[in-house]
Amino acid sequence: DVKVTQSSRYLVKRTGEKVFLECVQDMDHENMFWYRQDPGLGLRLIYFSYDVKMKEKGDIPEGYSVSREKKERFSLILESASTNQTSMYLCASSLAGADGYTFGSGTRLTVV
Amino acid sequence: RKEVEQDPGPFNVPEGATVAFNCTYSNSASQSFFWYRQDCRKEPKLLMSVYSSGNEDGRFTAQLNRASQYISLLIRDSKLSDSATYLCAVDASKLTFGTGTRLQVTL
Repeated sequence: DVKVTQSSRYLVKRTGEKVFLECVQDMDHENMFWYRQDPGLGLRLIYFSYDVKMKEKGDIPEGYSVSREKKERFSLILESASTNQTSMYLCASSLAGADGYTFGSGTRLTVV
Repeated sequence: RKEVEQDPGPFNVPEGATVAFNCTYSNSASQSFFWYRQDCRKEPKLLMSVYSSGNEDGRFTAQLNRASQYISLLIRDSKLSDSATYLCAVDASKLTFGTGTRLQVTL
């Protein structure tokens, strides 16, 4: 089975901190994605990547950046955390053109 | 109009009942369609892809209606363990998710 691993299950950070969320997949998938999920708003795409060193903005990229230096790792960076970035963050990966995505177990981030 | 819309529910059904959810999408160029299941405080997991001809996996049947731009999920003989939120997802160039429909199966 494909495994997508997110480094932290729960995080609490202070406003203004720089926050790194790490995601690693072990099945050589080309595509990787970062979503956030909020009640009533569903899953919203922040950034995605179809290849190493490649990144594309999703629907809500403001306040975030990403890094993909290696194929298996896709990092989400909150440059200066704010309370409205308190959310569940979900990483996903897929093969190019394949059926569906596999998600990591999520990181619940609280910014205080 | 949202790109992907679902009735949030909850749908409360007794065990053994048949229940159906619909999901509408706005982008007629969409090519791939999926149903995901999400348990409380867990990640979404792929339940099934939705093919043009319709497809079945045990008690679950998925249908696609391109003319009316919706997909459906039918669950027969509902089990308590089917209680979850069901997300539809549509891919024009990247997956867009609905907000989910909550199903509660009761005794």
